Amino acid sequence: QKEVEQNSGPLSVPEGAIASLNCTYSDRGSQSFFWYRQYSGKSPELIMFIYSNGDKEDGRFTAQLNKASQYVSLLIRDSQPSDSATYLCAVRGSAGYSTLTFGKGTMLLVSP
Amino acid sequence: DGGITQSPKYLFRKEGQNVTLSCEQNLNHDAMYWYRQDPGQGLRLIYYSQIVNDFQKGDIAEGYSVSREKKESFPLTVTSAQKNPTAFYLCASTTGRNSYEQYFGPGTRLTVT
Repeated sequence: QKEVEQNSGPLSVPEGAIASLNCTYSDRGSQSFFWYRQYSGKSPELIMFIYSNGDKEDGRFTAQLNKASQYVSLLIRDSQPSDSATYLCAVRGSAGYSTLTFGKGTMLLVSP
Repeated sequence: DGGITQSPKYLFRKEGQNVTLSCEQNLNHDAMYWYRQDPGQGLRLIYYSQIVNDFQKGDIAEGYSVSREKKESFPLTVTSAQKNPTAFYLCASTTGRNSYEQYFGPGTRLTVT
């Protein structure tokens, strides 16, 4: 059973701070990792994906992957109130063509 | 505009009725997926299809059925056998050719009473 674990939160940060969202996964052979942002009542929006160990930066977002520790994180710099949402971590497994397994998400609240 | 459309946005049905949710994409994506999301829960995979006329069960397929007669369309039927059908239903697609980024439609919120 593949599992993806996230702290449900809420994670509260002040405007302008760095928000750090974490995700662990159980399938050691997992290949691809995704972060989705989901506003209340809306569908998930893909914001980052990472396939290799290390960091990947896109604007204010940085995804960090450590396959040895089975850990992936999302950093949001200069957090804005508009970043307040639930962030879903998704992982593609190792067995050939594989579907995504989603965590339950972490709610982020950015206060002005 | 390219994208994924789902209709309707809100759907209300009586218990015991089958209902079909629509999902259409004009992104020329090969693979399509159906998920359900319950409050405070992550997404759970119902069915997926990698190519036309082929589909596979996901983790919670019982009480659901799908078809994939056209590349652009992947309708989901929620049957009366589904014990807890009230949920937010999300359709997604991906190119499926060494690309695994899934993009979601706006979702259909189904309420069964």
